[in-house]
Amino acid sequence: AQKITQTQPGMFVQEKEAVTLDCTYDTSDPSYGLFWYKQPSSGEMIFLIYQGSYDQQNATEGRYSLNFQKARKSANLVISASQLGDSAMYFCAMRLTGNQFYFGTGTSLTVIP
Amino acid sequence: GAVVSQHPSRVICKSGTSVKIECRSLDFQATTMFWYRQFPKKSLMLMATSNEGSKATYEQGVEKDKFLINHASLTLSTLTVTSAHPEDSSFYICSARVITSGRNEQFFGPGTRLTVL
Repeated sequence: AQKITQTQPGMFVQEKEAVTLDCTYDTSDPSYGLFWYKQPSSGEMIFLIYQGSYDQQNATEGRYSLNFQKARKSANLVISASQLGDSAMYFCAMRLTGNQFYFGTGTSLTVIP
Repeated sequence: GAVVSQHPSRVICKSGTSVKIECRSLDFQATTMFWYRQFPKKSLMLMATSNEGSKATYEQGVEKDKFLINHASLTLSTLTVTSAHPEDSSFYICSARVITSGRNEQFFGPGTRLTVL
């Protein structure tokens, strides 16, 4: 069963606009961590933001924020004021207590000038 | 969806020994596999790109003689950490890329936790 679901294979956003990338997860573990990574064409996986399952507040890192809705099991990434350099693949991931990682299939974001 | 497995999921070894980690695509053929090393809450560092039947392409700063990568078939790539040292302790993740009908998809394994004593 898929643990992480990213339903948007591709997204387009106008430069300077905000965009939301969807991610839903499935686990019965009470303790888990949620990650978002950016993968440019180089293949590197750049860590963007982390949300712990017990964190009360939504994580924010600069232009990135994570809209964590625990009851809905969703962890959407919001990128504000999109820039051309934001064009890349974005992966949502979940780490469980056994340290196993589960990745989504990714969303390709294209920022339009 | 496509499944990528890694074996073992965790391994503890003595300093100086070699450890092999397997990455398998279970229900598809992957022409390209990637090996990453992850540090807690940090980025996944791309170590190398492994193409079936050819030598792996290593990223700058990654010792190819220390991290041996073999991609012998379209479903299996192996990473061997030779003469492991405690600083090699980390979480290693592989992924497999599939390109079909113009779609470029990447699937990740669950990772292998290596602890070198």
